[in-house]
Amino acid sequence: ELKVEQNPLFLSMQEEKNYTIYCNYSTTSDRLYWYRQDPGKSLESLFVLLSNGAVKQEGRLMASLDTKARLSTLHITAAVHDLSATYFCAVDGETSGSRLTFGEGTQLTVNP
Amino acid sequence: ETGVTQTPRHLVMGMTNKKSLKCEQHLGHNAMYWYKQSAKKPLELMFVYNFKEQTENNSVPSRFSPECPNSSHLFLHLHTLQPEDSALYLCASSLSGLSYNEQFFGPGTRLTVL
Repeated sequence: ELKVEQNPLFLSMQEEKNYTIYCNYSTTSDRLYWYRQDPGKSLESLFVLLSNGAVKQEGRLMASLDTKARLSTLHITAAVHDLSATYFCAVDGETSGSRLTFGEGTQLTVNP
Repeated sequence: ETGVTQTPRHLVMGMTNKKSLKCEQHLGHNAMYWYKQSAKKPLELMFVYNFKEQTENNSVPSRFSPECPNSSHLFLHLHTLQPEDSALYLCASSLSGLSYNEQFFGPGTRLTVL
């Protein structure tokens, strides 16, 4: 069974600081997705990572994938309050067909 | 309408009621999904439909009954639910046949079972 673990689960940051969220998964995969969810809202697709070494950046967020380590990171640069949300990673395992397995989510709060 | 829409957005029902959740996608996708999101739990996949055919039922109790009349519409029929079924129910869609499975989510239906 594919397992996806995120850490930390809760992250309180100060504005302008940098931090990284980690996503570890338990099986071979080169397809990993990051989503953002605001309170009471749906999930918004942020990044799709499809190969070892893939790196994608959008604004203050940068995601990367290391398939050999079965690890993805979401790096936040110079955090601002607007980034406060819950961030999920999801993995599409090689044998999982159309199933995505989600991590528990990291609840990020950016404080002034 | 754009993206994935869901109705109703909020639903309160008694344990003996019958209700239905509706999802519609306007993205030209051919796969649709129901997820359950409970507090402090990861998203749980409930059902998957590809080209209107159910391809996955993740051991969901029979009080949840999905229906997919076409690739754009997905329903979740609810009857004799339990209070522990209270959750956010999310619909998603994706395009089958690609090498990846990026899913696009609707706004969800917040369900409360009394």
